[in-house]
Amino acid sequence: GAVVSQHPSWVICKSGTSVKIECRSLDFQATTMFWYRQFPKQSLMLMATSNEGSKATYEQGVEKDKFLINHASLTLSTLTVTSAHPEDSSFYICSARDPTFASNQPQHFGDGTRLSIL
Amino acid sequence: GENVEQHPSTLSVQEGDSAVIKCTYSDSASNYFPWYKQELGKRPQLIIDIRSNVGEKKDQRIAVTLNKTAKHFSLHITETQPEDSAVYFCAASSNTGNQFYFGTGTSLTVIP
Repeated sequence: GAVVSQHPSWVICKSGTSVKIECRSLDFQATTMFWYRQFPKQSLMLMATSNEGSKATYEQGVEKDKFLINHASLTLSTLTVTSAHPEDSSFYICSARDPTFASNQPQHFGDGTRLSIL
Repeated sequence: GENVEQHPSTLSVQEGDSAVIKCTYSDSASNYFPWYKQELGKRPQLIIDIRSNVGEKKDQRIAVTLNKTAKHFSLHITETQPEDSAVYFCAASSNTGNQFYFGTGTSLTVIP
């Protein structure tokens, strides 16, 4: 079964709206979660690394003020797309790694969130 | 940072034939290389992975090879079946940060 839950699965909203996406680890405590963006027929692009209790680490070219990440607990990270515009429409997917295992164990992915901005 | 390249971008094979997908990476610190299969609109699913201390790993019809010197690794699928049709992504990761950097993906079509 799923070990990472992502919600919502699909969001349609008007331009200018802020949208929050949640990523939860179900069977383990994730000190680190990752947020990706995927355009149709393209690869997963790492946006940021979410660290529990500290600031997220953003990849080059990703706007911190646009994509707000909060990792307030060991099982929940949220991504808020602020003042979303049509160009923000994409598939957003999170992942987490169970830290009880050795480093570089596979990441578990959520089901993704399809964001459509009208 | 790490740069992962993947080829080919699309691949069509007849059912029963083999499929090979190749990836290269740039960061010599990368030491973990997973392969994911993603069906349309769904989450990526891990199919096989390899660490830098081995050169080859096999799991039934799927195998992965790694050449650390050349910084490339490959996915081999034998006796392909229509249900193998999907997009496959390679990735590279190091102990530092544990971020995964994905290749550009290969859309595999197995023709019945």
